[in-house]
Amino acid sequence: AQKITQTQPGMFVQEKEAVTLDCTYDTSDPSYGLFWYKQPSSGEMIFLIYQGSYDQQNATEGRYSLNFQKARKSANLVISASQLGDSAMYFCAMRENSGYSTLTFGKGTMLLVSP
Amino acid sequence: GAGVSQSPSNKVTEKGKDVELRCDPISGHTALYWYRQSLGQGLEFLIYFQGNSAPDKSGLPSDRFSAERTGGSVSTLTIQRTQQEDSAVYLCASSVPSGGPAGELFFGEGSRLTVL
Repeated sequence: AQKITQTQPGMFVQEKEAVTLDCTYDTSDPSYGLFWYKQPSSGEMIFLIYQGSYDQQNATEGRYSLNFQKARKSANLVISASQLGDSAMYFCAMRENSGYSTLTFGKGTMLLVSP
Repeated sequence: GAGVSQSPSNKVTEKGKDVELRCDPISGHTALYWYRQSLGQGLEFLIYFQGNSAPDKSGLPSDRFSAERTGGSVSTLTIQRTQQEDSAVYLCASSVPSGGPAGELFFGEGSRLTVL
């Protein structure tokens, strides 16, 4: 069974609008972490934001926020005021606290921001 | 250097040849990971090192794939008798284990392997 599911292969948004990228996860571990990475066409993997399972508040980093709904096992990324440079592939990932620290990635969502 | 360094950045080889890909993690990062990314796909986990030991090799796709890490630093991923389906970008990442789930991975720029 997939541990990370990103159901949107592609998303389109206009510049300056907000966009939500969906991510659901599956784990029975009470302690886990959720990550979002951005991969532009250049191929580099850029860390965006982290949410721990015990964190009481949703994580925010500048224009990025994570809508964490623990009971629904969802960790959606919200990008506010989209910019052309936000066009990229976005990956959701999870690390379970099970003694070692592998990150499991979803298949990604391609975001295209239009002028 | 300050980041994760991978070499070669590009490798073209003939089917059946062996290849070695190298990763030099960020200094002080004890955890090291190898992932594979095929064209337009997500990241496929291959192997994870903590220090010189590999507690998780579950992602290695076949016995043609092996990896080692020496001195708790540089790692080499070896693919023997390469096949065309091995063509992909091989990404290395490192991190500082926190004892819990936090701690992001820092990625290198990848080694693009093309098997003709």
